[in-house]
Amino acid sequence: DTGVSQDPRHKITKRGQNVTFRCDPISEHNRLYWYRQTLGQGPEFLTYFQNEAQLEKSRLLSDRFSAERPKGSFSTLEIQRTEQGDSAMYLCASSPQVFGPETQYFGPGTRLLVL
Amino acid sequence: GNSVTQMEGPVTLSEEAFLTINCTYTATGYPSLFWYVQYPGEGLQLLLKATKADDKGSNKGFEATYRKETTSFHLEKGSVQVSDSAVYFCALSQTSGSRLTFGEGTQLTVNP
Repeated sequence: DTGVSQDPRHKITKRGQNVTFRCDPISEHNRLYWYRQTLGQGPEFLTYFQNEAQLEKSRLLSDRFSAERPKGSFSTLEIQRTEQGDSAMYLCASSPQVFGPETQYFGPGTRLLVL
Repeated sequence: GNSVTQMEGPVTLSEEAFLTINCTYTATGYPSLFWYVQYPGEGLQLLLKATKADDKGSNKGFEATYRKETTSFHLEKGSVQVSDSAVYFCALSQTSGSRLTFGEGTQLTVNP
């Protein structure tokens, strides 16, 4: 168990560019979540996958955001036409599917800065 | 909708002082409640959790009791250490497989 990994850890881009982040969950965790955290705030939910199915999306996830988990393992989060307001830490979490409330395990995050 | 409110920070304490970080929530039914901790330069880690009313979660000397009547889940530690300096987040989850709703976080600094 190597934990949740995210790549890259840091990304600097210019406004209007597209960026893509990757998340590798803990193996055999079939649930995967994306959150966004801005400075001084708690994480905010973006979207959730169970296996390859995207089951829930937040209203925060505008049309410029898209997430995939094509084989039910790793996931990607793409932001098109980035804006300065997209600057934040993007967190990925995974959890096993168990009966009752499960613990979400978080990765180190990808810090995005849009210039 | 669901929401979590934490006491405003930052909180600064001397080593061995008693710690309380208040957390109250708004949710329907019986959510599960969590405390996560974020140490400097590291990712979020689960500190403790409670899944039903009157449950007490505990870990590393920290405790929190799920109080349904006051919709609270206050974090306490009897004697803090410098190594406890971090940001603490209270969170809730409505059902299995659902999003976590976080509070805004409380920065704790413990001085020697």
